[in-house]
Amino acid sequence: QPVLTQSSSASASLGSSVKLTCTLSSGHSSHIIAWHQQQPGKAPRYLMKLEGSGNYNKGSGVPDRFSGSSSGADRYLTISNLQSEDEADYYCETWDSNTWVFGGGTKLTV
Amino acid sequence: EVQLLESGGGLVQPGGSLRLSCAASGFTFTTYAMSWVRQAPGKGLEWVSTISGSGGSTYYADSVKGRFTISRDNSKNTLYLQMNSLRAEDTAVYYCAKHDRDCSSTSCQAYFDYWGQGTLVTVSS
Repeated sequence: QPVLTQSSSASASLGSSVKLTCTLSSGHSSHIIAWHQQQPGKAPRYLMKLEGSGNYNKGSGVPDRFSGSSSGADRYLTISNLQSEDEADYYCETWDSNTWVFGGGTKLTV
Repeated sequence: EVQLLESGGGLVQPGGSLRLSCAASGFTFTTYAMSWVRQAPGKGLEWVSTISGSGGSTYYADSVKGRFTISRDNSKNTLYLQMNSLRAEDTAVYYCAKHDRDCSSTSCQAYFDYWGQGTLVTVSS
């Protein structure tokens, strides 16, 4: 089964940009992933599906400030023009052989 | 608008049982796979179980296999999770999640695209 590795924390200033990374384990570098945002005390929210090619499809209502990209086994979530409401936990998700896995999550401080 | 509303959480003693429900609306329920995902206090997300649109295929995490049963009533647009032999480590917020598509006859290749607000299950004596 794939393993997803995320940094535990990240920080950036209001109005700046940040790039979060999710790394797929060996042998799974072509997997599609999904990014989810969880604001404090709230349920997760789907942000986007991200392919190994770098193509991504965002969920309904996700601001243009959110974008995705890929390089090898790395899947990135870039947030531009950071707002206070972007302070949240960000999880990547993938699936294989009818099981689903999440990365450990990155806590973003703005 | 897709809405997923969980209910049924609460305090239960170790070894006890509980049934969670998730009422779905805003989409054609029977044509999408559905799942349960949980989050222990202060921890990350953990996949629990998935069911195909017809209910004919079910999948479980090893941590709950043999103790939890996922099911759905497509006539009521409702997803269920029957939890038996509960343990302290099952304490978590349980989220209902919709997949972006249904499973095929042999596999499920689908990500989560909508989440419910969650229901808290506490297993303690």
